[in-house]
Amino acid sequence: SAVISQKPSRDICQRGTSLTIQCQVDSQVTMMFWYRQQPGQSLTLIATANQGSEATYESGFVIDKFPISRPNLTFSTLTVSNMSPEDSSIYLCSVSPQGWSEAFFGQGTRLTVV
Amino acid sequence: GQQVMQIPQYQHVQEGEDFTTYCNSSTTLSNIQWYKQRPGGHPVFLIQLVKSGEVKKQKRLTFQFGEAKKNSSLHITATQTTDVGTYFCAGPSQGAQKLVFGQGTRLTINP
Repeated sequence: SAVISQKPSRDICQRGTSLTIQCQVDSQVTMMFWYRQQPGQSLTLIATANQGSEATYESGFVIDKFPISRPNLTFSTLTVSNMSPEDSSIYLCSVSPQGWSEAFFGQGTRLTVV
Repeated sequence: GQQVMQIPQYQHVQEGEDFTTYCNSSTTLSNIQWYKQRPGGHPVFLIQLVKSGEVKKQKRLTFQFGEAKKNSSLHITATQTTDVGTYFCAGPSQGAQKLVFGQGTRLTINP
């Protein structure tokens, strides 16, 4: 299993600013995943963060808007840059320590951009 | 690309009624997983099915994996208010190291 500490749990930000979300895992994992979940919607994968290499972004998401850091095997950050109200959403980090048998999620960051 | 479709999108039941959500993948899956997300919470793993035709039970919840390993269902018998939430199915993507999630079924219950 894996326990993920994600912070902040929520924030209200001014448009044009940036917010960095942190995820700390209690064990070493190869890949960490960042998702966005808009109200009432499913999880949309933003990018996969690998330690020691650049993150892999999904279609529609770019590094300039969502830069990711992965300095070691237990930690990752996602920055939401130059925010607009359309970025208001829940952001979740996730890991699957044992292949694809089970995914664990952080508590989520509820972001509101005003 | 690979798609995982889930129906219905919403389901409202009276407490005590049964509930079923269905998941269908555009491609064969090596396994399928089910998650529950309570209102305001994060997704929590419920179960994984691996074998063709597999059926697993967790108390009032019954999970099935289709013979072709492309579809799955979750059935809840005699719903309780604690079952409220959104249920997601998910499967590993073919050719990419990630999970593909269904759209989810949001279950609400009238006590």
